Amino acid sequence: GENVEQHPSTLSVQEGDSAVIKCTYSDSASNYFPWYKQELGKGPQLIIDIRSNVGEKKDQRIAVTLNKTAKHFSLHITETQPEDSAVYFCAASEETSYDKVIFGPGTSLSVIP
Amino acid sequence: GAVVSQHPSWVICKSGTSVKIECRSLDFQATTMFWYRQFPKQSLMLMATSNEGSKATYEQGVEKDKFLINHASLTLSTLTVTSAHPEDSSFYICSARLAGDLTDTQYFGPGTRLTVL
Repeated sequence: GENVEQHPSTLSVQEGDSAVIKCTYSDSASNYFPWYKQELGKGPQLIIDIRSNVGEKKDQRIAVTLNKTAKHFSLHITETQPEDSAVYFCAASEETSYDKVIFGPGTSLSVIP
Repeated sequence: GAVVSQHPSWVICKSGTSVKIECRSLDFQATTMFWYRQFPKQSLMLMATSNEGSKATYEQGVEKDKFLINHASLTLSTLTVTSAHPEDSSFYICSARLAGDLTDTQYFGPGTRLTVL
C-alpha cells in the first residue's frame, strides 16, 4: 500500500517569510495529492490539491509542486501570516475501488509575529 | 458548498457503553464517506470506507464488530463505538465525497471528541 512521509515535523518562520513542506510517497500509481490544514480541535480543511498530469498549481499565497519521477511533492506558502499557524498534512491517493487517500504524519507550522 | 457536519462535537461516556456519531453532508449527496481516527499529535488514520447501501470496508486492524458503520442514505453515515473502553478515546473525523464526482476530493467534518471514562 501507499506510504507517505513528510518533513519537517515542525517548522517555525517569521511572519512574511516563506514556508516549505515536503512529502514523498511510495506508490507510483498515485495520481491525486491533496494538502490539508488542521487547526487545533477542528477537522482538516482542504487548501490545495494537485493531480499527476500537472507539475505545479498556485492559489494566491499557496503553491504545490509535484515531481512524479522522484515521487515527491511540496507545499509552498509565501508571505506567511500568524493565521497560517496550524498543522499541515499532505496526502496521496491509493488506487482502490474507493480511491482513499493516505495521510502523511503532519507538519506543525508556527508563524512568529 | 460541500459542508460536512458531525454530531455530537464531543461526548463523554462510561466504559462499556456504546456511542453513536453522525456524519452528514449538508448541501450535497455523498455516495462514499470515510471515517478516520486521530490521536493527539498524530496523523489521521483511516478506519473504514462506507458506501451508501452497502457494507463498509474496514482497514486492517480495525474491528468491524466494535466500530459499526451504517451509511443508510446519501447524506448520512453513522459510526457506533460499541462497548467503549478508555483506549477508544480519540478524535473521530468523517469525510465525504460528492456523488458522481470524478475527482478524489474529500470534504471533512469538524470531528467528534470521544472520551471514555
